[in-house]
Amino acid sequence: QVQLVESGGGVVQPGGSLRLSCAASGFTFSSYGMHWVRQAPGKGLEWVAFIRYDGRNKYYADSVKGRFTISRDNAKNTVYLEMNSLRAEDTAVYYCAKKAGYSSGWSVVDYWGQGTLVPVSS
Amino acid sequence: QSALTQPASVSGSPGQSITISCTGTSSDVGGYNYVSWYQQHPGKAPKLMIYDVINRPSGISNRFSGSKSGNTASLTISGLQAEDEADYYCTSYTSSSTLVFGGGTKLTVL
Repeated sequence: QVQLVESGGGVVQPGGSLRLSCAASGFTFSSYGMHWVRQAPGKGLEWVAFIRYDGRNKYYADSVKGRFTISRDNAKNTVYLEMNSLRAEDTAVYYCAKKAGYSSGWSVVDYWGQGTLVPVSS
Repeated sequence: QSALTQPASVSGSPGQSITISCTGTSSDVGGYNYVSWYQQHPGKAPKLMIYDVINRPSGISNRFSGSKSGNTASLTISGLQAEDEADYYCTSYTSSSTLVFGGGTKLTVL
């Protein structure tokens, strides 16, 4: 079955950096685009970034563009989110999520990880 | 990119039907048939309920249905059950090649 396991979360100071990882299994990772979506404590969902199956196209929310970088290693079945210049408002649970294969667009997510918490605080 | 507009809360009694709206613009909801709906129970990851406006993934009850008119998409849940109580989020692809979520709607089953 599909499994997505995030890691790398933890407390970071404002202005600091962190790299999140998401290990995927149970599907042909190299055939699917991947998303990062976040959720601030007690708040709604916010899309962060998407990377195409081959890594050639990447898309970002305006709120993180220029500060966050999504990447993937298909040999390791892993997607990453490099986060720089972190702000208090980046505090959230970060979910990695798999693009659904049955939609013609890349916007649909069919599987989610359990998330990793990133508190940005001094 | 502004969030899509959803009512903060809706409620209904078991067996009743409810509808959650999701209003955007011609640059997102109105411009593409890429609206999805997710259900999220407290402390859990979201779950896909409807994709591409009207489609249900395998395993999702036919009590859940989606539609769209102009810049507003809707999720209807018929025959409400206690386990339907959750937060619901819509999302849409946008003309800026991004995704935008709605603010979320808390469904209470009375």
